[in-house]
Amino acid sequence: DAGVIQSPRHEVTEMGQEVTLRCKPISGHDYLFWYRQTMMRGLELLIYFNNNVPIDDSGMPEDRFSAKMPNASFSTLKIQPSEPRDSAVYFCASSSGLAGLGTQYFGPGTRLLVL
Amino acid sequence: TQLLEQSPQFLSIQEGENLTVYCNSSSVFSSLQWYRQEPGEGPVLLVTVVTGGEVKKLKRLTFQFGDARKDSSLHITAAQPGDTGLYLCAGKYAGGTSYGKLTFGQGTILTVHP
Repeated sequence: DAGVIQSPRHEVTEMGQEVTLRCKPISGHDYLFWYRQTMMRGLELLIYFNNNVPIDDSGMPEDRFSAKMPNASFSTLKIQPSEPRDSAVYFCASSSGLAGLGTQYFGPGTRLLVL
Repeated sequence: TQLLEQSPQFLSIQEGENLTVYCNSSSVFSSLQWYRQEPGEGPVLLVTVVTGGEVKKLKRLTFQFGDARKDSSLHITAAQPGDTGLYLCAGKYAGGTSYGKLTFGQGTILTVHP
């Protein structure tokens, strides 16, 4: 299995631009998570999906952030417009199992820098 | 707000030394996990503990879950340079309505010098 795939691995953009991060979960997993990691705040859960349906988006910072999961094998996290404080590493993770207690498998992350 | 406090934040030791990392909360966990993260990669699960008082061993790593399921520790015996990395604890709180949601501690950056 290829594991969780994220693209791009690195993204440098200017303030005000739209940024789209992509994730392909492990085949067969029914949970998908988006996290953000910074030195100041650590690893924070932004949103997670179960069977393509958003379950908890309470971690999404503000309306500039949106996430979609149009099918079981693809999800996007979009930031529009981007701001320098959005600079972070964004991880996607997927899992399977009853009530999401299964192991979460993380992708390699997307390192975002907003200038 | 449910918080997971992890300590110490930084740990720098010599090869062969022992160390312990702690993870504490005022709330009860239904389960707790420990992850290890290397630079440029995502966290990788080491262990999951679910029963109060549970002890699990993974080679030189020993994980303990507190009797009241509010705290956990990770002990590494005879640390090696390959143990260097960021160690994260993550808990799912008992009684939570958001299934599958994990709360992560701030992490412990461990450096083991040869």
